[in-house]
Amino acid sequence: NAGVTQTPKFQVLKTGQSMTLQCAQDMNHNSMYWYRQDPGMGLRLIYYSASEGTTDKGEVPNGYNVSRLNKREFSLRLESAAPSQTSVYFCASTLAGAYNEQFFGPGTRLTVL
Amino acid sequence: GNSVTQMEGPVTLSEEAFLTINCTYTATGYPSLFWYVQYPGEGLQLLLKATKADDKGSNKGFEATYRKETTSFHLEKGSVQVSDSAVYFCALRDTNTGNQFYFGTGTSLTVIP
Repeated sequence: NAGVTQTPKFQVLKTGQSMTLQCAQDMNHNSMYWYRQDPGMGLRLIYYSASEGTTDKGEVPNGYNVSRLNKREFSLRLESAAPSQTSVYFCASTLAGAYNEQFFGPGTRLTVL
Repeated sequence: GNSVTQMEGPVTLSEEAFLTINCTYTATGYPSLFWYVQYPGEGLQLLLKATKADDKGSNKGFEATYRKETTSFHLEKGSVQVSDSAVYFCALRDTNTGNQFYFGTGTSLTVIP
C-alpha cells in the first residue's frame, strides 16, 4: 500500500496563476480532506469529502475548489493564486466510524510570489 | 462545539528527561482521541489513540490516558531521545460530527543531547 500520495511535492506560482494539487489513497477510505498548515496556526481544514460525490467547506475554503473524482482521488484547485495561499497543503483520508484515525500524505509545499 | 487545547511550546528537554504535553478537549458527543507526530518535512503520523474513557493508548514509549472526568488526554514519555524531536498534535473525532477531526495547534519538542 502506498497510503496517501500527493503531487507535486513542491510548487512555485506567480500571483494569479492557477494549479491543481492531486491526492490519491489506496486504502478504500470513504472520507478525504484537504488541510493547510501555516507556522503557528496548526492545521486548518479547507474542504472535505465525506463520501464519493459529496464535498463540504471547512474552516478556510475561500480561494479554493475541490473535486472528488472517484473514491480514490480528491483534488484541490487554486483558480487565481495569491501570496496568502503560500502554505504547506496536506491531504488526509479515513474510514467511516468515529474510532478511525486519519492517514496523511507527505504534503505539498506551495509558494506564491 | 468541539475543540482541542494543547500546551503551547516550544518545549526543550535534555535527553532522558520526562515529557508531558498537556491536552484538554471539549466535545458534544463521545469522542475518540488521538496523538499525531510530525517530523520535519513530513506529514502527520498517528502516534497513539484511545476510543473510550479510561483507555490508555501507547506506542514507542509514549502513553496517554483518556480522562473523561477532566476532559484530558495528556501525552507522556518517561525518557525522551533526540529522535523524539518533532511537533506533536492532539486531536479528536466526535461521534456527533463523525467526519470532522479537531486538532490542537501543535507542540514543538526539541530534545538536546
